[in-house]
Amino acid sequence: ETGVTQTPRHLVMGMTNKKSLKCEQHLGHNAMYWYKQSAKKPLELMFVYSLEERVENNSVPSRFSPECPNSSHLFLHLHTLQPEDSALYLCASSQDVYAGGAGWEQFFGPGTRLTVL
Amino acid sequence: GENVEQHPSTLSVQEGDSAVIKCTYSDSASNYFPWYKQELGKRPQLIIDIRSNVGEKKDQRIAVTLNKTAKHFSLHITETQPEDSAVYFCAASPLNQAGTALIFGKGTTLSVSS
Repeated sequence: ETGVTQTPRHLVMGMTNKKSLKCEQHLGHNAMYWYKQSAKKPLELMFVYSLEERVENNSVPSRFSPECPNSSHLFLHLHTLQPEDSALYLCASSQDVYAGGAGWEQFFGPGTRLTVL
Repeated sequence: GENVEQHPSTLSVQEGDSAVIKCTYSDSASNYFPWYKQELGKRPQLIIDIRSNVGEKKDQRIAVTLNKTAKHFSLHITETQPEDSAVYFCAASPLNQAGTALIFGKGTTLSVSS
């Protein structure tokens, strides 16, 4: 497997469920990101991790809980979500966390299509 | 914080025509402006980027222009082809700030008909 992978690709969950999204990058990158992509809205940054440390948290509700156990893996734990949380969740990685640097191009995973009933 | 506006939201052109997508940004500290292309059902991919020390950058049929004074930048696609059909996102970010990720525009859906 190459690049950035995400599992599952599709997830349907009830509002009381607990589930986790997984992202894995095979590029040797140091930074990983979670984005939310909703219809008619821009890509919204949720979390940024650099070398397993969270460096940015964009006022995301606590029902979303990220975890980065190592530089290759990133999780998004979901708990008591709302229907408006239904969206495509994209993971991305980059060599460097400094914006615009030589190794800063963000490589996106295929996303997890989440539906909250 | 940064706010990026993108226009138009949809754009339809005939094959061979040119397409132009425009973005404006609010934060004068932003100096890195990438463009991403997302084909239907696929992930976004970087197609071109520009930094504030450059006014224009070209890569084959794609070009990006930047006007820092007016805080706007544009994507130009010439000789469009059906495979150019996709959603295009502009973004802005300040350089060299740790943990700073991209602020995206809402996207432009480009349809190229043959």
